[in-house]
Amino acid sequence: DGGITQSPKYLFRKEGQNVTLSCEQNLNHDAMYWYRQDPGQGLRLIYYSQIVNDFQKGDIAEGYSVSREKKESFPLTVTSAQKNPTAFYLCSSSSAEKLFFGSGTQLSVL
Amino acid sequence: KQEVTQIPAALSVPEGENLVLNCSFTDSAIYNLQWFRQDPGKGLTSLLLIQSSQREQTSGRLNASLDKSSGRSTLYIAASQPGDSATYLCAVSHSGGGADGLTFGKGTHLIIQP
Repeated sequence: DGGITQSPKYLFRKEGQNVTLSCEQNLNHDAMYWYRQDPGQGLRLIYYSQIVNDFQKGDIAEGYSVSREKKESFPLTVTSAQKNPTAFYLCSSSSAEKLFFGSGTQLSVL
Repeated sequence: KQEVTQIPAALSVPEGENLVLNCSFTDSAIYNLQWFRQDPGKGLTSLLLIQSSQREQTSGRLNASLDKSSGRSTLYIAASQPGDSATYLCAVSHSGGGADGLTFGKGTHLIIQP
């Protein structure tokens, strides 16, 4: 089955802790994206990558970091500098103009 | 900066009704517009993609129209069913391939009553 796998589905972060959200795709897509979704809000772009070893900041990159060492993987780290990390995080990849999404990770603060 | 607005924020209708969801955007210089469906706690599924040069796209009971000059799009759902209950989001892109990501509306939460 081709698709995007996000893990874990639920994640809890303690004060001052960095946590990493996983995103893997087997669609052979070059472009990958991380979005944040807050209740009742639209999606906001955190980071995106159009090619391996390259990535760009989106609208709300502060407090987050990413890497793109392999085409199929685009992990997102939520650092301790992100003071309001509780949200639903969505990873996506694109082929031409169509976006495909993973099932999301709900991050909460303990 | 592009802003996308969706009206209504929530809608509840009896099964079988035809309904229209609205999306407006402030910058008409878009490359394409997409409608997505999101079920609770899940990711998004692309429903329809309309290129800026197109006026509408159809898939089954869904029809999306685009009036780029006025900055509006509508999603028409015919003969609604309880399985259509979900949040519907529209998003606009300013570049082909979504290279800079999309600008999303906040969505319309739709409930179809059996």
